[in-house]
Amino acid sequence: NAGVTQTPKFRVLKTGQSMTLLCAQDMNHEYMYWYRQDPGMGLRLIHYSVGEGTTAKGEVPDGYNVSRLKKQNFLLGLESAAPSQTSVYFCASQDRVVSNNQPQHFGDGTRLSIL
Amino acid sequence: GNSVTQMEGPVTLSEEAFLTINCTYTATGYPSLFWYVQYPGEGLQLLLKATKADDKGSNKGFEATYRKETTSFHLEKGSVQVSDSAVYFCALSRPGGGSQGNLIFGKGTKLSVKP
Repeated sequence: NAGVTQTPKFRVLKTGQSMTLLCAQDMNHEYMYWYRQDPGMGLRLIHYSVGEGTTAKGEVPDGYNVSRLKKQNFLLGLESAAPSQTSVYFCASQDRVVSNNQPQHFGDGTRLSIL
Repeated sequence: GNSVTQMEGPVTLSEEAFLTINCTYTATGYPSLFWYVQYPGEGLQLLLKATKADDKGSNKGFEATYRKETTSFHLEKGSVQVSDSAVYFCALSRPGGGSQGNLIFGKGTKLSVKP
């Protein structure tokens, strides 16, 4: 079972460069999320998607864009990377929420450093 | 608003010691409550959950009881092992999915178990 797969696992960028993080899930989940994890801050929601072709802003969306062209993929883009975006990024997926007890399934993360 | 507060770490215990990690929450309505665990270099994994007051979630020797009267969901284990060393996150999820169903995380508590 692959579950949620994130690529790449590590990346170092220079300030101003752009890149795209890819998240793929094979569980046919409707909902997908992008979080960032910073020391002492826990996880914070960047953007999310409730279905193919739809995206919405989370708690900390500035400097990021997302796309969900296919149900199984959720892309996170940094158009012009800044040192403040140095973080570990996690993608998660979740089955359609009929009640509020559906867990989220996480990838192993992408460690991104911006110099 | 909705929030989760968990005890700050790090927590260092000897093998076979008793573990308690405190978690309290603030939420409107009736959230589900979760404990996630993050082993070094990995993503978050669901450890246990509880969906209504007085429910007890349990898994791998860990337990937590949903206490609505004290708005708490403390994690306990009677005898920890070295392999339990990880970061533990308490989280709540509101009904509905998308931003309504997304997880609100505590900041995490790092547990180190010494042989």
